[in-house]
Amino acid sequence: GAGVSQSPRYKVAKRGQDVALRCDPISGHVSLFWYQQALGQGPEFLTYFQNEAQLDKSGLPSDRFFAERPEGSVSTLKIQRTQQEDSAVYLCASSAAGLIGVETQYFGPGTRLLVL
Amino acid sequence: KQEVTQIPAALSVPEGENLVLNCSFTDSAIYNLQWFRQDPGKGLTSLLLIQSSQREQTSGRLNASLDKSSGRSTLYIAASQPGDSATYLCAVRGGTSYGKLTFGQGTILTVHP
Repeated sequence: GAGVSQSPRYKVAKRGQDVALRCDPISGHVSLFWYQQALGQGPEFLTYFQNEAQLDKSGLPSDRFFAERPEGSVSTLKIQRTQQEDSAVYLCASSAAGLIGVETQYFGPGTRLLVL
Repeated sequence: KQEVTQIPAALSVPEGENLVLNCSFTDSAIYNLQWFRQDPGKGLTSLLLIQSSQREQTSGRLNASLDKSSGRSTLYIAASQPGDSATYLCAVRGGTSYGKLTFGQGTILTVHP
């Protein structure tokens, strides 16, 4: 079956613009994660959804970042008033399990965001 | 706060060599540890997942070990091939979190013919 997909794959934004990044998890997966990966670094956790509930948003760097998953499937990460430090690859991952599952997280290809 | 460190940051070896990548973590209260591979411009591919109760996992030419008490894991790659060239990431899942992963910064591996 299809894996995790993300769109767009690349996004160039002018500083101050709002952007929306989409994640389509594997069908039926309960858990969905967003990570931010700066150049040359490992991914860092942003937020976690179990179905439509956002259970952990402790990694969101500021109130300019907002994520939703209204129907428990597709998720959108929105960044308002983008800044240059927001430039990074945004990775989405999904897993079949709910709370503290043992299954692997499956990652999408990421959206590479460049803020000029 | 959990911190994950990977050594070395980069490694270049000739084809055929056996090699070891190291990962250390500061909080031993983990649920599991996972090794990923990342190719340029692509997402992460899971290689091996070791539960906290396990000592090692093997898949083909890859073997990962876990010493939870000392906060260490190693990824052993046997008979390396140019196709193994990628960034290797270690990640731990905390026992009290919802499953979020804490990653190291990665080891960039280059295997030259």
